[in-house]
Formats: sequence, C-alpha cells, structure tokens
Amino acid sequence: AQRVTQPEKLLSVFKGAPVELKCNYSYSGSPELFWYVQYSRQRLQLLLRHISRESIKGFTADLNKGETSFHLKKPFAQEEDSAMYYCALSGPPTSESASKIIFGSGTRLSIRP
Amino acid sequence: ETGVTQTPRHLVMGMTNKKSLKCEQHLGHNAMYWYKQSAKKPLELMFVYSLEERVENNSVPSRFSPECPNSSHLFLHLHTLQPEDSALYLCASSQGTSGGGINEQFFGPGTRLTVL
Repeated sequence: AQRVTQPEKLLSVFKGAPVELKCNYSYSGSPELFWYVQYSRQRLQLLLRHISRESIKGFTADLNKGETSFHLKKPFAQEEDSAMYYCALSGPPTSESASKIIFGSGTRLSIRP
Repeated sequence: ETGVTQTPRHLVMGMTNKKSLKCEQHLGHNAMYWYKQSAKKPLELMFVYSLEERVENNSVPSRFSPECPNSSHLFLHLHTLQPEDSALYLCASSQGTSGGGINEQFFGPGTRLTVL
C-alpha cells in the first residue's frame, strides 16, 4: 500500500539546534517526494522536492531509497521555521499516477528562543 | 487576484442544506484538486481534475459532487452532509501534464465548513 509516515506529531527544538523531521514512505515504484510547509495564518506551500536537489531556507532532504526515507534537515534552526510540515509523495511526474498525491499526517515544528 | 482563491472562506450549514464551494486559479494550470483537512486525519485527496476531466476519485461519498466547467474553476457541491464532514476543504492546482513540476501543488486558503 502507498503510504507516507511522519512519526512525530510535534518536534520542539531550541534556536540554533539542528532539526530533523522524519518521513518514511511505502510505494511500489519510483515516487516523487515533496515537503510542504504551512506557516501560521498562511496557506500550504511547497518547500522542496527531491528531484530538485536544492536547499530552501537552509532545509535539505535526501531521498534514501534503501531506507525509503525522505527526512527533512536543517543544521541550525531559526524561530521563523516554526510551522507545520507535511511530507508527500506522488507517482513520477510524467506518469498517470502523478496526480495520486499522498500526504503524511504532518509534524508541527516549534523553535524555542 | 493571483494564485488560487476559494469562496466562501467559512460556511455553516445544516444537514439538509445544499451548498457549493468554489475555487478559482489564476495560474494557467491544467489540473485542480479538492482536499479535506481535519484534526483527525491528515490531508486527504478527494478529487483530481486534469484538463477538466476527473482522473481521480478517492472513494468519496456521493454527498460530495465535484464540477469542473473549465480549467480555471472547480466546484464542490454539498448535499445532506453529516457533522463528521466538518473540516477545512482545500483547493489546489498544478501545472498539469506538460513538462517538469507538473504535480507541484499550489493551494488556496481553504473553506472552513461546519455541519450542524
């Protein structure tokens, strides 16, 4: 079954500490993985996607096919990183399953000053 | 207005009412989506339209009826809802079937629905 698991509902770290938001997935094939973020009073928006292999706002995420994970990391947390983070997957971009998007349950990240 | 807009932002309805949610995207995208977000469950994909054709229906009860008259507009018609249908309903759009980034979702602000 296709599934995205975010084991932590809430993650609280101090400003300046490293952050790792965990995401594991189950998918038969080669999915595309995403991280979406929702800041307070803002709409849900894309943070990054694995095929871009880029760093956004200091965050990176590496797709580990062996462990079926796509953890989100940042070496030094900032207060403005406090938000709700969702991991998501879909089929490959040009496939029919590209529109079948599955979201994890989300992790609320709280950065303490 | 730019991006994805949704109206109304808040809706309270009785179980016997009929109402509609509206979504409009100004991004030139070819695909539109309805999601349900509630405290109990993660973001659930309900319907997907690509080039105005429904391509995905995730076993949604028939009391929810989508309509996509053109690539810029998406509706969700509601009738005889249940209290457990109370949730935030999010609309999203994506580029569609051409080129890379086709399934990056651009979300609207949502409609907060309360069923009494």
